[in-house]
Amino acid sequence: EDKVVQSPLSLVVHEGDTVTLNCSYEVTNFRSLLWYKQEKKAPTFLFMLTSSGIEKKSGRLSSILDKKELFSILNITATQTGDSAVYLCAVLSPPAGNKLTFGGGTRVLVKP
Amino acid sequence: NAGVTQTPKFQVLKTGQSMTLQCAQDMNHEYMSWYRQDPGMGLRLIHYSVGAGITDQGEVPNGYNVSRSTTEDFPLRLLSAAPSQTSVYFCASSRGWTNEKLFFGSGTQLSVL
Repeated sequence: EDKVVQSPLSLVVHEGDTVTLNCSYEVTNFRSLLWYKQEKKAPTFLFMLTSSGIEKKSGRLSSILDKKELFSILNITATQTGDSAVYLCAVLSPPAGNKLTFGGGTRVLVKP
Repeated sequence: NAGVTQTPKFQVLKTGQSMTLQCAQDMNHEYMSWYRQDPGMGLRLIHYSVGAGITDQGEVPNGYNVSRSTTEDFPLRLLSAAPSQTSVYFCASSRGWTNEKLFFGSGTQLSVL
């Protein structure tokens, strides 16, 4: 059974801190790993990673994948209160119809 | 551009009642899916469709039916609601099954008493 585990479950930081979120996975047929941000309702797409060692960046957020050790990290630097959200990691494992297996999420609270 | 539209946003049902959650997308996406989100369990796939007339089961399909008569619409039916179906439901779509980037609707909070 495919499994995606995120850690920590939750964390509280202050504005300006750096946050590192972890995602490890065990799937039968890996295609890609995705990160989503969920603030109140709908998750919104952040990154898609398919190759090891290539960092994806978007502003203060960055992510990297290690396909040998089966994990990914999401970094947020110089955190702001608007970064408070649940961050979801998901792994795509075909051929079962775009099957995305989600982790339980990491809840991040950024205090002023 | 509306994206993925879900209705209703909130619903309370009594055990045994049936209802349909509506989902529509205006992006001409081939792939549509339904997820449920429970605390600490992430999102779990209920049913999905790779095109009009084609549906398949996901991880937790029991108690739910779907159909896909058009590209735009993908309703989720609860046949006989149970308290275990209390959850937040998300509809999502993507351009094709190889296009991993899912667009999510805003969710339906369902309570079954």
